[in-house]
Amino acid sequence: DVKVTQSSRYLVKRTGEKVFLECVQDMDHENMFWYRQDPGLGLRLIYFSYDVKMKEKGDIPEGYSVSREKKERFSLILESASTNQTSMYLCASSGQGGGNTIYFGEGSWLTVV
Amino acid sequence: AQSVTQLDSQVPVFEEAPVELRCNYSSSVSVYLFWYVQYPNQGLQLLLKYLSGSTLVKGINGFEAEFNKSQTSFHLRKPSVHISDTAEYFCAVSERGGATNKLIFGTGTLLAVQP
Repeated sequence: DVKVTQSSRYLVKRTGEKVFLECVQDMDHENMFWYRQDPGLGLRLIYFSYDVKMKEKGDIPEGYSVSREKKERFSLILESASTNQTSMYLCASSGQGGGNTIYFGEGSWLTVV
Repeated sequence: AQSVTQLDSQVPVFEEAPVELRCNYSSSVSVYLFWYVQYPNQGLQLLLKYLSGSTLVKGINGFEAEFNKSQTSFHLRKPSVHISDTAEYFCAVSERGGATNKLIFGTGTLLAVQP
């Protein structure tokens, strides 16, 4: 079974803190994604990566950055957390090519106070 | 660019009744279509997907969906629901032939099955 593991399920951070959300996949997938989920808005793509050290902005990249130094690991970074970044963050991965199933982690609930 | 509309934010239904969750999409190019399910406090799990061929797609847990190109729809159906089907359901599209397979999601439909 494909496994996408997000390191923290629940985090509480203070405004202005630097926050790291870590994600690891065990299927040698080329593509990795970070989505944000908010009630009534569905899932919105923050960033994705199609190879090591390669990244592209999604629909809502402002306030976020990412890092992919190894194929299996994709990190989401909030340089200076703000309260409007309180949300559920979902990491996902897939093989290359259209139509491939995208597999999701269980999510990280981030509260910024 | 693509977009996905899920017309119902919530669908209440009694156990053993049939259900249909509606999904319409907009795209200037051909797309692949997906339905995902999210149980409480969990990530998303693939229910089914349409890539090509037969427009009726069967998925896990007794769900099926029909692709209708003329109506740009991909509605999800189940003939008889169970309490355990209570979850949020997301319709999504990705660009056929695109360089990456990133998904564009709808806003979700909460299926609430009542005894």
